[in-house]
Amino acid sequence: DTEVTQTPKHLVMGMTNKKSLKCEQHMGHRAMYWYKQKAKKPPELMFVYSYEKLSINESVPSRFSPECPNSSLLNLHLHALQPEDSALYLCASSYPGVSHEQFFGPGTRLTVL
Amino acid sequence: QKEVEQDPGPLSVPEGAIVSLNCTYSNSAFQYFMWYRQYSRKGPELLMYTYSSGNKEDGRFTAQVDKSSKYISLFIRDSQPSDSATYLCAMRAPSGGGADGLTFGKGTHLIIQP
Repeated sequence: DTEVTQTPKHLVMGMTNKKSLKCEQHMGHRAMYWYKQKAKKPPELMFVYSYEKLSINESVPSRFSPECPNSSLLNLHLHALQPEDSALYLCASSYPGVSHEQFFGPGTRLTVL
Repeated sequence: QKEVEQDPGPLSVPEGAIVSLNCTYSNSAFQYFMWYRQYSRKGPELLMYTYSSGNKEDGRFTAQVDKSSKYISLFIRDSQPSDSATYLCAMRAPSGGGADGLTFGKGTHLIIQP
């Protein structure tokens, strides 16, 4: 299985809602990543987990809260988002020492109303 | 100056042409250079990576890195309509065996005309 899956594919939420994005991989990768990609822009790194521990937080606002419950799963909890947070949220995974070979999921397209 | 510069295009070429895509960068610590392909509304797909300088070939794709000029290229031979996508260059510095994020270029939107 060489796939990274993300659910849901699309999400529309209000500014007061709480929702979660889910990412799963079964490639034995012990590094997992969240990126944010706005239209016609490159992906921007948000968080990195290595061996289920948060190793990089790129100064992301606290309304985004990552969680890595086990080596196959990565969640991104969302609360009190702003319309400017609307974007494609991409999950990726890799072996920790092989970060140049990151496998990306299809993304969750988030719209904040 | 942005860390990675890439012309967003669009770049439109006829089927069968050789395509040249390029990125320049400013961070001399970058050692790993990747090319990703992203179709509309999909996640990026890794095409190739190169470590340090040199060339790498995989089928119709050739990646080149010139660290002295801080310039990388991706060549696509015998281009096909199915190659139409956005091509993102990405880079990272060595991280001592740990996990690290990638720094992406803006992406070049490529259109192969049948």
